[in-house]
Amino acid sequence: GQNIDQPTEMTATEGAIVQINCTYQTSGFNGLFWYQQHAGEAPTFLSYNVLDGLEEKGRFSSFLSRSKGYSYLLLKELQMKDSASYLCAVKGGSYIPTFGRGTSLIVHP
Amino acid sequence: DSGVTQTPKHLITATGQRVTLRCSPRSGDLSVYWYQQSLDQGLQFLIQYYNGEERAKGNILERFSAQQFPDLHSELNLSSLELGDSALYFCASSVGTSGRRDTQYFGPGTRLTVL
Repeated sequence: GQNIDQPTEMTATEGAIVQINCTYQTSGFNGLFWYQQHAGEAPTFLSYNVLDGLEEKGRFSSFLSRSKGYSYLLLKELQMKDSASYLCAVKGGSYIPTFGRGTSLIVHP
Repeated sequence: DSGVTQTPKHLITATGQRVTLRCSPRSGDLSVYWYQQSLDQGLQFLIQYYNGEERAKGNILERFSAQQFPDLHSELNLSSLELGDSALYFCASSVGTSGRRDTQYFGPGTRLTVL
């Protein structure tokens, strides 16, 4: 089976940088995804990591360490619209992603 | 807009009833996944279809069933509804079924309320 842990909630200030961590245990590993989900809306794809290291995409970056079962999503120059839930999802041996419960990020002025 | 469509957007019904949720995948995608999301749970995987055939099953109740049609749209049937079935139901689609980089794109969801 798989186990994914993320903090439940985080707060940050507009313009700042925030790091959202995700730790996982899985049998087989075929990649880790990050999704953003605004309340009541669909999850939208942010990033995918399958090799160790940092993937940068605009204001968002995602890091993976397979040996540590650890990933983080880094959001820079925070904007109010970044207030949302951020879901970490791990694709294990079954190739079906298992989602964490998500981290609710609150950005305040 | 992910390109995945779901209908209806909202559904209100009574306990014991049966409903059907519909999903059309992105153009070119062969896989369809169904997820349930309730307030106290994360996204729970229910079932996956690939090119018309059931490919993987998750925590799907026996009262629930799904199918994927030749035009690749999918339907999720929920019967003998209970209060606890109230949730957001998402459909997602992807190109394939086993590629590492195969990314799921989600539809806008159907909010089901069982009274």
